[in-house]
Amino acid sequence: ETGVTQTPRHLVMGMTNKKSLKCEQHLGHNAMYWYKQSAKKPLELMFVYNFKEQTENNSVPSRFSPECPNSSHLFLHLHTLQPEDSALYLCASSPTGDLSGNTIYFGEGSWLTVV
Amino acid sequence: QKEVEQNSGPLSVPEGAIASLNCTYSDRGSQSFFWYRQYSGKSPELIMSIYSNGDKEDGRFTAQLNKASQYVSLLIRDSQPSDSATYLCAVRGGNNRKLIWGLGTSLAVNP
Repeated sequence: ETGVTQTPRHLVMGMTNKKSLKCEQHLGHNAMYWYKQSAKKPLELMFVYNFKEQTENNSVPSRFSPECPNSSHLFLHLHTLQPEDSALYLCASSPTGDLSGNTIYFGEGSWLTVV
Repeated sequence: QKEVEQNSGPLSVPEGAIASLNCTYSDRGSQSFFWYRQYSGKSPELIMSIYSNGDKEDGRFTAQLNKASQYVSLLIRDSQPSDSATYLCAVRGGNNRKLIWGLGTSLAVNP
């Protein structure tokens, strides 16, 4: 069991649906991340939050909307997704933000299928 | 040129052998280097981190860094079937400090 938990682990949604992915970290870290992992592509950083403030948005389409109410919780709100958005979405955390050189720790991931 | 490059494999080794996984990177100013293991259907988990030239050993794992040649490698001694996974190399860049990931090398350890 990791210190970063994600729910749901599997999600199937239609292109017109609205759903959310949830992440909670129990490591006392101050930075949280959303990554996307697709077949035959390197891990893609989507968003970074450091002390609840968004510090990075890697040109992610607006149909993905992150929310970080506190340093322990991170959400990814999904709406009007496309089939090509089907992927493994990984939440991660680190003691402080990505730019500081800290090691990041991943949750188990949420498998998303858009139909 | 890819920023972090790994041979996709699969790399197949017999049980008990040494598995050697390699990673090259393009940013000469890179400072931090990480190896993650990812089992099929699971998330990446940190195996080793290395910051200085030379070798760093942790149990059956040894990370080797050569900044002049811009490569980092991971050696797995006495390979076990449970080591069968994809190994991801991640490099933290020099100027912008972004973590750049390779595609991973698939390792199969045959009993």
